[in-house]
Amino acid sequence: QVQLVESGGGLVKPGGSLRLSCAASGFMFSDYYMSWIRQAPGKGLEWVSFISSGGDTIYYADSMKGRFTISRDNAGNSLFLQLNSLRAEDTAIYYCARDSGAFDVWGQGTMVTVSS
Amino acid sequence: QSALTQPASVSGSPGQSITISCTGTSGDVVSSYLISWYQQHPGEVPKLLIYEGTKRPSGVSNRFSGSKSGNTASLTISGLQAEDEGDYFCCAYAGTGSVVFGGGTKLTVL
Repeated sequence: QVQLVESGGGLVKPGGSLRLSCAASGFMFSDYYMSWIRQAPGKGLEWVSFISSGGDTIYYADSMKGRFTISRDNAGNSLFLQLNSLRAEDTAIYYCARDSGAFDVWGQGTMVTVSS
Repeated sequence: QSALTQPASVSGSPGQSITISCTGTSGDVVSSYLISWYQQHPGEVPKLLIYEGTKRPSGVSNRFSGSKSGNTASLTISGLQAEDEGDYFCCAYAGTGSVVFGGGTKLTVL
């Protein structure tokens, strides 16, 4: 079945880094745009970043520009998000989602906690 | 950056219909962007209910419907059921790196 599985979250100190991964299965990953979306505890959804199917077009939310880097490996059916210079306000569940102008498939999310 | 405003909460009794609004705070964000709606139960992953303003993905109940008028999008749930209780989010997608979610609406089934 169509599935996205995130990994790589954890506890990190302010200023630290993490690399999130999202493994896709059940669909032709290389045909689809993908996005990362996050949700702080008890809060709403916030779009983080977008990558086109071939990886040649990338967008970031303004507050993430320069700190986060999205990438993908179509041969390995994987999506990545490199998080640098992390702040307490980056604490959230990070979801990868299949992007077709709407987010029709979501992973279960991976929790990132930024705390000293 | 445009924003989307949703009511913090709505409620209704089983069998009733309710409508959740989503209003763009600037420009023509709702009228020009792709609008989608998501349902999220506590502790669960968001689920796509409506895309392109009015379309339902396969498997989504026809009790859920979407509409747009001017700079306001709406999600209507008819024949309210206990399982509909949860949080609902609208989303405006421009396709050029501009994606914004509404703050979410908590639906309580009385």
